[in-house]
Amino acid sequence: DAKTTQPPSMDCAEGRAANLPCNHSTISGNEYVYWYRQIHSQGPQYIIHGLKNNETNEMASLIITEDRKSSTLILPHATLRDTAVYYCIVRVGNAGNMLTFGGGTRLMVKP
Amino acid sequence: NAGVTQTPKFRVLKTGQSMTLLCAQDMNHEYMYWYRQDPGMGLRLIHYSVGEGTTAKGEVPDGYNVSRLKKQNFLLGLESAAPSQTSVYFCASSYDRSSGANVLTFGAGSRLTVL
Repeated sequence: DAKTTQPPSMDCAEGRAANLPCNHSTISGNEYVYWYRQIHSQGPQYIIHGLKNNETNEMASLIITEDRKSSTLILPHATLRDTAVYYCIVRVGNAGNMLTFGGGTRLMVKP
Repeated sequence: NAGVTQTPKFRVLKTGQSMTLLCAQDMNHEYMYWYRQDPGMGLRLIHYSVGEGTTAKGEVPDGYNVSRLKKQNFLLGLESAAPSQTSVYFCASSYDRSSGANVLTFGAGSRLTVL
């Protein structure tokens, strides 16, 4: 699986959009981009994933660049409950091989 | 659906004792994983399984053994616990063969303290 690079921390004002970047310059054509988050010491939670096209669900939007070398997770109206560590992972669609997490981005939403 | 259930949620062991953490999933997922997370750190993969009867080593397998005798269960064993194994352990499962979805679902975690 391709490696990813994320900033270690970010701040966002409550009610504003939070834009979390992820670099995956070595991504292969059959690898998806997945985003998860971990709130405090809970188990990580799935947010969204995509292959080429931009995706949106009730939690967030995922913007993938045309060359697929980077992506941005957007939380449109961040709340205090969105304070968490956000992980960006790339992997082949049905792969079950070793799946490692990097350090992620610690997002702090401030009032 | 319960999703991924881990037992026990909390356990305190003495150095040298053994124990088994149980992970059960009811989503018919093919793949299962055990991670550990130390305070202020990220998730590190211990062992994983891509199917019933198969297991493989992750990033930090030493001191742990696993078994997946049934598709829905993935057991993590500590034969001789050490203080360095004090951590929060997370189990996860993924890949629904019928839908092709490969989204990880995590359990709530098992907090282990070794004295």
